[in-house]
Amino acid sequence: DTGVSQNPRHKITKRGQNVTFRCDPISEHNRLYWYRQTLGQGPEFLTYFQNEAQLEKSRLLSDRFSAERPKGSFSTLEIQRTEQGDSAMYLCASSLNGGNTEAFFGQGTRLTVV
Amino acid sequence: SQQGEEDPQALSIQEGENATMNCSYKTSINNLQWYRQNSGRGLVHLILIRSNEREKHSGRLRVTLDTSKKSSSLLITASRAADTASYFCATDLGGAQKLVFGQGTRLTINP
Repeated sequence: DTGVSQNPRHKITKRGQNVTFRCDPISEHNRLYWYRQTLGQGPEFLTYFQNEAQLEKSRLLSDRFSAERPKGSFSTLEIQRTEQGDSAMYLCASSLNGGNTEAFFGQGTRLTVV
Repeated sequence: SQQGEEDPQALSIQEGENATMNCSYKTSINNLQWYRQNSGRGLVHLILIRSNEREKHSGRLRVTLDTSKKSSSLLITASRAADTASYFCATDLGGAQKLVFGQGTRLTINP
């Protein structure tokens, strides 16, 4: 297992277009998280899944954002009608269930909205 | 709002010196984790310290946790140019089921 994998690594899109990112977690991890990071800031929590259930969503996740994890394995994050303010690094992480477990991050998808 | 606050925001030292970064947080935690991020890349997990632990070591890294002061420190000994990166602390609030990150410390090691 090579860790958490995210695709694509970079995405440039025109304002108003829809984009979808994919995250493949470490195979035995049942928790999956999405974070957003802007330049010079720490990652901000967006949402998390335990298996296929989406258990928490941040208020940062507007109705233009939707995340799924249909079979409890990979996850997708879709942004509809992108805005320039959506430009950021989108990070995915996974962890085992239970307390005191490390979260492992992917390399991220850098989104640029022009 | 951020739970953790790192101090300093930026640190520049000579190769071979020790680097110390601090993290303060606001509420009770289950554990605290330190991550490294090279420019434009993902986060690499460095070390996890539980709320009932006071100190942990991993190679050249030493982490302390003072729950009474709600603070943690990361010490990197004998720094190398490859240690140049941003370092983040993240707190696990337990029931909140997520990590909350600070804004990070940008560490530069000068050869």
